[in-house]
Amino acid sequence: NAGVTQTPKFRVLKTGQSMTLLCAQDMNHEYMYWYRQDPGMGLRLIHYSVGEGTTAKGEVPDGYNVSRLKKQNFLLGLESAAPSQTSVYFCASSYGRPSDETQYFGPGTRLTVL
Amino acid sequence: GEDVEQSLFLSVREGDSSVINCTYTDSSSTYLYWYKQEPGAGLQLLTYIFSNMDMKQDQRLTVLLNKKDKHLSLRIADTQTGDSAIYFCAESIETSGTYKYIFGTGTRLKVLA
Repeated sequence: NAGVTQTPKFRVLKTGQSMTLLCAQDMNHEYMYWYRQDPGMGLRLIHYSVGEGTTAKGEVPDGYNVSRLKKQNFLLGLESAAPSQTSVYFCASSYGRPSDETQYFGPGTRLTVL
Repeated sequence: GEDVEQSLFLSVREGDSSVINCTYTDSSSTYLYWYKQEPGAGLQLLTYIFSNMDMKQDQRLTVLLNKKDKHLSLRIADTQTGDSAIYFCAESIETSGTYKYIFGTGTRLKVLA
């Protein structure tokens, strides 16, 4: 099993450009999550999904959209990138609710917005 | 609001014990976790403790939970250079069918040979 994979690993965008980050998991997990990690701030939940076709807002959802058209994929979109979105983005998945199940993390995507 | 705090740095000598501390504010947490992050990698779950437990031991790792003081600690016995990493504590909070997963800022552990 590959576990949780993320593409791309690195990306540089100009302000106003758009892009989509892809997260894929092959563990048949129901729950998937997108976090951002910023220095001195730990991880913050952007959006999450409790199953195929569902999405929900996390702690810092503004400026991002997500879609879960297939159970194994969770996409994070930036419609108009801003320098404040420079961060490392982590995707995670779990079989059940995070209070009951371990979250498995991808290796991260480092995004720089100029 | 919910907050999870950790000290930023810890330095220990190889073979000594390391103790990483964490405090949290929300008493309705269900589970508390410790994650390890090595450079350029995602987070790896080390261990977790249910909120009604006081202690959990797993090989070299010991987790202590003081619910009254909202204090969580991770003790690593016989610390090795391979333990050098950033350690995050986290709590899961579920209310009315929605949940949050709050991470601390991370403690960078440096193990000196």
